[in-house]
Amino acid sequence: NAGVTQTPKFRILKIGQSMTLQCTQDMNHNYMYWYRQDPGMGLKLIYYSVGAGITDKGEVPNGYNVSRSTTEDFPLRLELAAPSQTSVYFCASSRDREAFFGQGTRLTVV
Amino acid sequence: AQSVTQLGSHVSVSEGALVLLRCNYSSSVPPYLFWYVQYPNQGLQLLLKYTSAATLVKGINGFEAEFKKSETSFHLTKPSAHMSDAAEYFCAVSGTVTGNQFYFGTGTSLTVIP
Repeated sequence: NAGVTQTPKFRILKIGQSMTLQCTQDMNHNYMYWYRQDPGMGLKLIYYSVGAGITDKGEVPNGYNVSRSTTEDFPLRLELAAPSQTSVYFCASSRDREAFFGQGTRLTVV
Repeated sequence: AQSVTQLGSHVSVSEGALVLLRCNYSSSVPPYLFWYVQYPNQGLQLLLKYTSAATLVKGINGFEAEFKKSETSFHLTKPSAHMSDAAEYFCAVSGTVTGNQFYFGTGTSLTVIP
């Protein structure tokens, strides 16, 4: 079982560059999420989706965009990378009140 | 708004000792509550969840948690710590008000001393 797969695992970006963090799940879950994890801050919700074609902002959406064209995929887009976006990003999907997480993407903006 | 507070960002216990990690929630309606564990360089893994059934919830690896409405608490315990329990632990809340979103505490890092 693949579960939730995130790519890439690591990435270094220069200030102002853009990139897309990929997330795909093979469990046919309707709900998907993007979180960022910073030391001592826990996980903060960036965006979430309740199904294909439906997305909504979480606690910290500024500087990010998402799309959900299929049930399986939920990419996260950074348009103009800033040092404040240095973080570990986790994608998750859920069903029946249980969330399943990917292995994370460690992003550094320099 | 729903939130959880984890008391103690770092907890150290001796191997074989009781593990107690504290979590208090804030919710205007009965919430769903969770404990997740994160090992280094890994994603989060569900330990256990409370979904308004039994107030004492048993999870994986010998962990359990008790939902106490009067204290708005959901503390995680394990009778005897193992070296393999060293990890970061997160309490989370989800509820009918926020739909199926999950909100996490700031985490507690557990160190097990041999």
